Amino acid sequence: GDSVTQMEGPVTLSEEAFLTINCTYTATGYPSLFWYVQYPGEGLQLLLKATKADDKGSNKGFEATYRKETTSFHLEKGSVQVSDSAVYFCALGLANKFYFGSGTKLNVKP
Amino acid sequence: IAGITQAPTSQILAAGRRMTLRCTQDMRHNAMYWYRQDLGLGLRLIHYSNTAGTTGKGEVPDGYSVSRANTDDFPLTLASAVPPQTSVYFCASSYGQGNTGELFFGEGSRLTVL
Repeated sequence: GDSVTQMEGPVTLSEEAFLTINCTYTATGYPSLFWYVQYPGEGLQLLLKATKADDKGSNKGFEATYRKETTSFHLEKGSVQVSDSAVYFCALGLANKFYFGSGTKLNVKP
Repeated sequence: IAGITQAPTSQILAAGRRMTLRCTQDMRHNAMYWYRQDLGLGLRLIHYSNTAGTTGKGEVPDGYSVSRANTDDFPLTLASAVPPQTSVYFCASSYGQGNTGELFFGEGSRLTVL
């Protein structure tokens, strides 16, 4: 079935470090791919998305490229900030359904 | 700007009791969803509705029911709550554009079943 697998956390980085959170997917069709972010005590917010192969989604310094050949959508940021501390969810959308990974908690220390 | 409103924010419930979590959206979105969030398991889809008058089962529908009488409201009912249903429940909606629509989430309802 359709599913998403992302790296387990927590991930702890120092401010200005490079971030990668891996995400791979399995899908029966041609999904859209998303990264959502959840700050403490809040619901999820869309961070970025890509709707077809080779598309790059970007927002707030975060980027992810839809790689069909490797079924991946890894999240990257060149220089993280303390304010980026949150839980990040990779997700796929297919036929009006959305499937989420288990979430990766990011802690950024000053 | 309201977006999606969930109620209650938090509830403690005795096992065997009936509970309805309310969800209302003011964005005129066609599709609505209920997810539960559990540590280490991420978000799992309970039920969804592509448009008013229709509903469908997600990954973990057992023990839950939904209705979609109109566009704005999508209540989730636990007919007889059990402790494994202790979780944080999120309602979400989208325009219903198939794969590409962004999901908008409510703030969540934390339910504890004792």
